[in-house]
Amino acid sequence: QVQLQESGPGLVKPSETLSLTCTVSGGSISSYYWSWIRQPPGKGLEWIGYIYYSGSTNYNPSLKSRVTISVDTSKNQFSLKLSSVTAADTAVYYCAREPHSVRGGSSGWFDYWGQGTLVTVSS
Amino acid sequence: QSALTQPASVSGSPGQSITISCTGTSSDVGGYNYVSWYQQHPGKAPKLMIYEVSNRPSGVPDRFSGSKSGNTASLTISGLQAEDEADYYCSSYTSSSTVVFGGGTKLTVL
Repeated sequence: QVQLQESGPGLVKPSETLSLTCTVSGGSISSYYWSWIRQPPGKGLEWIGYIYYSGSTNYNPSLKSRVTISVDTSKNQFSLKLSSVTAADTAVYYCAREPHSVRGGSSGWFDYWGQGTLVTVSS
Repeated sequence: QSALTQPASVSGSPGQSITISCTGTSSDVGGYNYVSWYQQHPGKAPKLMIYEVSNRPSGVPDRFSGSKSGNTASLTISGLQAEDEADYYCSSYTSSSTVVFGGGTKLTVL
């Protein structure tokens, strides 16, 4: 059974960089797309971006200038960095697995999710 | 990219059927058969209920079904049960190879 676990600081100061890691267990990180998704308190889901195990990435245009997603296949982990954070970046951050589509490429749906981690941006 | 449009809330009595709509554009919902639906209970991670418009993952009851017509996708839950009360989100692959979610719908089982 594939499991995903987010880890990282729960409190980040404004203007600093938010950093989270997702550890994948019960399966290989290879041959899948891996996404970060966030949910502000009481609000809906927002896709942040994905990384393919080979290292190719794609980001939400609204966050692209501040987001970096990287992968470490040797550790079965992938990571998120979000720079210049503000209070608007306060959210539960989820990591999730995205299968290939039948045509090749990402599929846009997520079959395994981490439990989520709350990151609060505050001084 | 703009969020997909979902009703804020729907409700139904046990045993009844409800349908939640999800409206996008030809660049997302209407252009691809990569619409998915998620159920989220309070304090929990979303759970995949439907993928590629109408496919159910193993373990999801067949009371849950999905469909699409033009730029609008729909999730139907038949034989409503108390445990179906949750938030439901649709999502779609887009022409930019990104993903866009709907704003979410709160389902109340009366």
